[in-house]
Amino acid sequence: EVQLVQSGAEVKKPGESLKISCKGSGYSFTTYWIGWVRQMPGKGLEWMAIIYPGNSDTRYSPSFQGQVTISADKSISTAYLQWSSLKASDTAMYYCVRHPDKWGQGTLVTVSS
Amino acid sequence: DVVMTQSPLSLPVTLGQPASISCRSSQSLVHSDGNTYLNWFQQRPGQSPRRLIYKVSNRDSGVPDRFSGSGSGTDFTLKISRVEAEDVGVYYCMQHTHWPWTFGQGTKVEIK
Repeated sequence: EVQLVQSGAEVKKPGESLKISCKGSGYSFTTYWIGWVRQMPGKGLEWMAIIYPGNSDTRYSPSFQGQVTISADKSISTAYLQWSSLKASDTAMYYCVRHPDKWGQGTLVTVSS
Repeated sequence: DVVMTQSPLSLPVTLGQPASISCRSSQSLVHSDGNTYLNWFQQRPGQSPRRLIYKVSNRDSGVPDRFSGSGSGTDFTLKISRVEAEDVGVYYCMQHTHWPWTFGQGTKVEIK
């Protein structure tokens, strides 16, 4: 069974750094694009970035370029999304998605002073 | 970015009645490989989205046959032939022909 298991909820202060994770299992991790989708409270879905773990090819949505970094460690079938300096506006649910069909359970990130 | 415009944004439906959601894209979703990469997702309250339909009209495994997708080019439709209580949620169209991939605003389906 294909599974994407994300790391737990985070509460951070503005300016702090954060790295969230998504572990894939039940499929060949290196042969599917995997990415992150943001859902702000009560809002819709936005693709942020994707990575192909097989060769680390990476794409960022222009809206998120320079704001986050996507990475993957194929040795442990895990993808990551990181921020160097969080803002209150980063408060959202973040979903890991194996393109084109499987979603993780979501990681809620709350940024508040 | 390709803009995906859904209508309506809110859809109250009587149980057992049909429902239809429209999705229009700002440019053609026909890929250079000939495929049209238009998906439909369902997000039930408090849950992660789940893909229902891929490449316009193909139902995912386990998706009831009351869900169907159609369309071409820039104009697409999701239909529910007879709405059931478990269909309550928000429905999104999404294109992955052009990067960045983009979603529609979502259509909230509720029972009257």
